[in-house]
Amino acid sequence: AQSVTQPDIHITVSEGASLELRCNYSYGATPYLFWYVQSPGQGLQLLLKYFSGDTLVQGIKGFEAEFKRSQSSFNLRKPSVHWSDAAEYFCAVGPGGGGNKLTFGTGTQLKVEL
Amino acid sequence: DTGVSQNPRHKITKRGQNVTFRCDPISEHNRLYWYRQTLGQGPEFLTYFQNEAQLEKSRLLSDRFSAERPKGSFSTLEIQRTEQGDSAMYLCASGGLADNEQFFGPGTRLTVL
Repeated sequence: AQSVTQPDIHITVSEGASLELRCNYSYGATPYLFWYVQSPGQGLQLLLKYFSGDTLVQGIKGFEAEFKRSQSSFNLRKPSVHWSDAAEYFCAVGPGGGGNKLTFGTGTQLKVEL
Repeated sequence: DTGVSQNPRHKITKRGQNVTFRCDPISEHNRLYWYRQTLGQGPEFLTYFQNEAQLEKSRLLSDRFSAERPKGSFSTLEIQRTEQGDSAMYLCASGGLADNEQFFGPGTRLTVL
C-alpha cells in the first residue's frame, strides 16, 4: 500500500531564511509525487508535481522539490521564505498513470516569523 | 472557468440527520474525486468517478455514504444518519484524462452536533 510520511508537524522559520520540508513515500512502482499548499479556509493548491524526467522540479511561488529514488524522498525547498508562505503543506503520492486516488501525508504547518 | 466549486461551504447538522453536498468540477474534466479531511490530518480518499461511472470507493465510505455523478458533470455526496465522527472537511477535486493533476475545490465543512 502506498503511504507518505511528513516527519515535521510544525516548522518555524524567519522571513528570508531558506526552507526545506521533508517527505518520504512508500510505493511499489514509479510514483507520481505532488506538493500542495493549504491556507486557512482554503482548498488545496498544487505547488509542483513529479512524474518523470529531471528529478529537480520547479513549481509556483519559487518552490522546488527534488525526487530521490534511493531515499524515497521528495523534499520541498524554497531559498527565501516570505511571510505569505505561512500555511500547511501536504505531500502526496499517486500511482503512475494517474487517474486514481492520491495518498497524502499528515502535513507540515509552516510558521514564518517576521 | 472558475475552478472547482462546492456547496454549501459550511453545514451544521444534528446527529441523525441526512446531509448532501454538491461539487461542480472544472467543466472539461472527466474525473472527479471526493476526499475527507479531519483536523490535523491530510485528505483521505473517499471515492472517484470517471464520467458518470464510480470506479473506486474507499473502505472509509460506509453504507451511510453515497456519491453520485448522474450526468458526468456535477456530483453529490450524501451522508445519511450523520454521526459526530462525520464532522470533517469534505473536499472535491477534478482532473482531466490527459494529465494527472487534481484540482481541489474549497471544501464543505461539516459539523455534526
